[in-house]
Amino acid sequence: QKEVEQNSGPLSVPEGAIASLNCTYSDRGSQSFFWYRQYSGKSPELIMSIYSNGDKEDGRFTAQLNKASQYVSLLIRDSQPSDSATYLCAPTRGLDNFNKFYFGSGTKLNVKP
Amino acid sequence: SAVISQKPSRDICQRGTSLTIQCQVDSQVTMMFWYRQQPGQSLTLIATANQGSEATYESGFVIDKFPISRPNLTFSTLTVSNMSPEDSSIYLCSGSAGRGTQETQYFGPGTRLLVL
Repeated sequence: QKEVEQNSGPLSVPEGAIASLNCTYSDRGSQSFFWYRQYSGKSPELIMSIYSNGDKEDGRFTAQLNKASQYVSLLIRDSQPSDSATYLCAPTRGLDNFNKFYFGSGTKLNVKP
Repeated sequence: SAVISQKPSRDICQRGTSLTIQCQVDSQVTMMFWYRQQPGQSLTLIATANQGSEATYESGFVIDKFPISRPNLTFSTLTVSNMSPEDSSIYLCSGSAGRGTQETQYFGPGTRLLVL
């Protein structure tokens, strides 16, 4: 079983719709959860993070965390073609003096004009 | 966010040679890491670069193949040794800033390596 599971996609949504990206993780000790966006040929860039159960909103993005279900999701409202990218989920676990990030394989999102 | 630069941005190398990739981070960064991303795949952690001591390697990666140095807080190098076509990949340097649950990892632009 992979430590971090994401549907590889592609997830296709029309422009203006809500895109819902899901991620499950196996390590109950995971403390923080990050979402990165990676455009083709580029390096990952941070979208947002969440630490507590519930929802966290940042502009058009909402992260949702349910630690009991070991589930984290990212909602993108009013999706734009520029949102077309691969989205990586990354739970973290604290080690001796830093947090180790565990990256999922990513979900490819296509937003159709 | 932290500023991270890498060079070279890309290279084409011959089988059996070695390539050293450099990574420079800003002073916010505490930890530095090296990842590999093969075509169509996610990120695989190669090692944690430790300042002034040997890097900590993940399972499947060894120092002889991927020697790493971090002589000071803001600079690290990764060498890909005795390259084969299977080493063709994107190599990413990252750095983390912040503490506890606020610790966040940022990525450099990557080095695209093609081995012929």
